[in-house]
Amino acid sequence: GQNIDQPTEMTATEGAIVQINCTYQTSGFNGLFWYQQHAGEAPTFLSYNVLDGLEEKGRFSSFLSRSKGYSYLLLKELQMKDSASYLCAVRPSYSGAGSYQLTFGKGTKLSVIP
Amino acid sequence: EAGVAQSPRYKIIEKRQSVAFWCNPISGHATLYWYQQILGQGPKLLIQFQNNGVVDDSQLPKDRFSAERLKGVDSTLKIQPAKLEDSAVYLCASSLDVLLGDRGQETQYFGPGTRLLVL
Repeated sequence: GQNIDQPTEMTATEGAIVQINCTYQTSGFNGLFWYQQHAGEAPTFLSYNVLDGLEEKGRFSSFLSRSKGYSYLLLKELQMKDSASYLCAVRPSYSGAGSYQLTFGKGTKLSVIP
Repeated sequence: EAGVAQSPRYKIIEKRQSVAFWCNPISGHATLYWYQQILGQGPKLLIQFQNNGVVDDSQLPKDRFSAERLKGVDSTLKIQPAKLEDSAVYLCASSLDVLLGDRGQETQYFGPGTRLLVL
């Protein structure tokens, strides 16, 4: 089975740093994705991790520990436009057709306040 | 590059009525996904196509939901008859062919979604 947990809501101040955690228990693992979803809009791809460690992309970084089943998304220099839901998604092990499916967590709604 | 297109953007129907959604994926993307996203939750996969074949429809409520991708490009998702609990956003996503694309990422690109309200 697949189980992905992330906090439901978080609030942070403009200009600050926020870390959104994600823990997962899945049958196999072949990558973890983070997506950003503004209210009423489609999810957009932010980052991808398949090996342990930190991936940095501008103000956004994502970390993965496969042994712990744990990832986090780090947002620096928060801006008001970063207010959105952040979805953690896991892809199971590759085993042919259907292996690129993603299982999503429920998302973390981040509110950035002045 | 044009993104994933979906229509309509919004639909309001009464329970027991039928509804259909349309999706046109990114050009060249062989794999197409339909997701259901209930308010406050993450997207849940309903069906996955590769070209015009179904890869996985294990989570599709087949008594009322159907989907097709006849020519391997655009796709339709139908609900007949609709229930109150079908109220959700229906997202379509596409990705490059699993045999030709970057197997390391295979990023899925999402359309704007169709927001369905069943009364």
